[in-house]
Amino acid sequence: DVQLLQSGGGLVQPGGSLRLSCTASGFTLTSRGMGWVRQAPGQGLDWVSSISASATTTNYASTYYADSVKGRFTISRDTSKNTLYLQMNSLRAEDTAVYYCAKYSYGSGTLAPFDYWGQGTLVTVSS
Amino acid sequence: ELVLTQSPGTLSLSPGEGATLSCRASQNVYNNYIAWYQQKPGQAPSLLIYHASTRATGIPDKFSGSGSGTDFTLTITTLAPEDFAVYYCQHYNDSPCAFGQGTKVEIK
Repeated sequence: DVQLLQSGGGLVQPGGSLRLSCTASGFTLTSRGMGWVRQAPGQGLDWVSSISASATTTNYASTYYADSVKGRFTISRDTSKNTLYLQMNSLRAEDTAVYYCAKYSYGSGTLAPFDYWGQGTLVTVSS
Repeated sequence: ELVLTQSPGTLSLSPGEGATLSCRASQNVYNNYIAWYQQKPGQAPSLLIYHASTRATGIPDKFSGSGSGTDFTLTITTLAPEDFAVYYCQHYNDSPCAFGQGTKVEIK
């Protein structure tokens, strides 16, 4: 069975950094793209970042970011640990949200719906 | 950038009634790459429909999706207590993908 187990999150001051983790089981991160989606308190879903599965010949994965986080957040993965990360730097109050990792349902790219989601982790940016 | 607008914002219905939720795109959604998700309080979203009209694994046929181009609809027949939730549409035909703002289906 596919499972996504998230860790990290918590309270951080404005300008601070935090790293979120998402450990996958039941599939490999080299076979499916992954994404991060956040939800501010009482608000809707907001796509943050995505990473494609690896190209078979180069092991290269494409990454994508929402304009609101570009240059501050970095998506990455450790295939040996089958774990996805979101490194968040220069955090702002408006980054406060529950962050979900999610798996793309088919293919190796990011043009697909999300079929499995992590349990979510709360990030609070406040002094 | 493609924007999705959902309506209504809130739908107040009684158990047993049917629901019709709308998702309108600011431009054509190629390949009808529209998904619908259900989210209950305190839970992660779950996939209901993809490719505008294909039910995800394990989703009952009380949920159906339709539409093409810029106008898409999620229909729920015979609302059960567990169906009262927030529903989001999403396009995934380009990066960035985007979600609509959601429709809350609440008990009247």
